Amino acid sequence: AQSVAQPEDQVNVAEGNPLTVKCTYSVSGNPYLFWYVQYPNRGLQFLLKYITGDNLVKGSYGFEAEFNKSQTSFHLKKPSALVSDSALYFCAVRVPFSGGYNKLIFGAGTRLAVHP
Amino acid sequence: KAGVTQTPRYLIKTRGQQVTLSCSPISGHRSVSWYQQTPGQGLQFLFEYFSETQRNKGNFPGRFSGRQFSNSRSEMNVSTLELGDSALYLCASSWTDRLNTEAFFGQGTRLTVV
Repeated sequence: AQSVAQPEDQVNVAEGNPLTVKCTYSVSGNPYLFWYVQYPNRGLQFLLKYITGDNLVKGSYGFEAEFNKSQTSFHLKKPSALVSDSALYFCAVRVPFSGGYNKLIFGAGTRLAVHP
Repeated sequence: KAGVTQTPRYLIKTRGQQVTLSCSPISGHRSVSWYQQTPGQGLQFLFEYFSETQRNKGNFPGRFSGRQFSNSRSEMNVSTLELGDSALYLCASSWTDRLNTEAFFGQGTRLTVV
């Protein structure tokens, strides 16, 4: 079955320290991977995506993600965390679905808490 | 360019009633998808519309339905509401239906069924 896993329910980081939010995937064929962030009572905001090419993808708000095909991972990273980065982060993969179309499958989400 | 707009933002309904949620996609986007978000089940795919045609439907009962209009605006309807339908309903739009295309989400409609 095609799926996305976020192994950590919560990640705690001190402000100024680097952060990593983990994501692993299981898909047949090429993976199309995405990261989204959700602030309280808001929708999801697109951060970045991996389609093909460079394994390090840069996105919004200083975030980047590293694609690792051998480990089937797509971890989200930021060199220096801000308190304002505290939010719920979702990893997603777009996979083929019935009828030749496709859909987004989301991980369960990881809550990031950045402490002053 | 305006983002995805969902109305209303909040709704309170009683069991057995029906509800209609609205979504206006980003201008030029033809694909609209709907998701249900709950603390227990996370984000679950409801259905997707492209050029007024329902392409896919997730594993939800027939009480959940939707449609898309010629201007790409979409509505989602839930009939005979149950307490378990309480959730944040998110709409997302994309400019294509290709695998490499990101979706842009609205702020959601928070539905509470009492």
